[in-house]
Amino acid sequence: QQQVKQSPQSLIVQKGGISIINCAYENTAFDYFPWYQQFPGKGPALLIAIRPDVSEKKEGRFTISFNKSAKQFSLHIMDSQPGDSATYFCAASMNSGYSTLTFGKGTMLLVSP
Amino acid sequence: DAMVIQNPRYQVTQFGKPVTLSCSQTLNHNVMYWYQQKSSQAPKLLFHYYDKDFNNEADTPDNFQSRRPNTSFCFLDIRSPGLGDAAMYLCATGVAGGWVQETQYFGPGTRLLVL
Repeated sequence: QQQVKQSPQSLIVQKGGISIINCAYENTAFDYFPWYQQFPGKGPALLIAIRPDVSEKKEGRFTISFNKSAKQFSLHIMDSQPGDSATYFCAASMNSGYSTLTFGKGTMLLVSP
Repeated sequence: DAMVIQNPRYQVTQFGKPVTLSCSQTLNHNVMYWYQQKSSQAPKLLFHYYDKDFNNEADTPDNFQSRRPNTSFCFLDIRSPGLGDAAMYLCATGVAGGWVQETQYFGPGTRLLVL
């Protein structure tokens, strides 16, 4: 049973546009929601993360929006650049003393020049 | 710089020939994870260590074993690799303790090819 559903599977955005990736979760025990960025041949790297006590978190061009009642969260990449082309994974974790991530299936983002 | 290191970066083995992948960390994290990632898929957790306590995922094949001789090192042993085990293997680390939620820090991965 997939506990974190991610969409879309792939996304093409023009340079300067806004990239939006959505995730939905089922388990209300999740209380930590990170986004990972992965370039081909590399390991995933933490991009930005949010806890459910806030509805939005912004770091540079990257923003997480969180809707606790809808059990949804999304990643917005403003002014998308070709260097942002990568696979993005949302994840969720519950407080069990240490991190136990449940990943979404990933979104392959291509930013065209 | 503190980091997660995986060796080798690429490993070629023959069908059925045991192989060992290694991971080391300078972060002094007490939790270490091994993931398998196939092309265009999310990382799949195989097992993890909380200090010396080993935690195996229910669907991890018996063909996969792990060792953690000390805090810094963790090994993934594949006893009899099959063609379906060709994948990227990712090591990650994290911190446990109290109510502080820490994320996982991934190494660059080892790409395994089975001939």
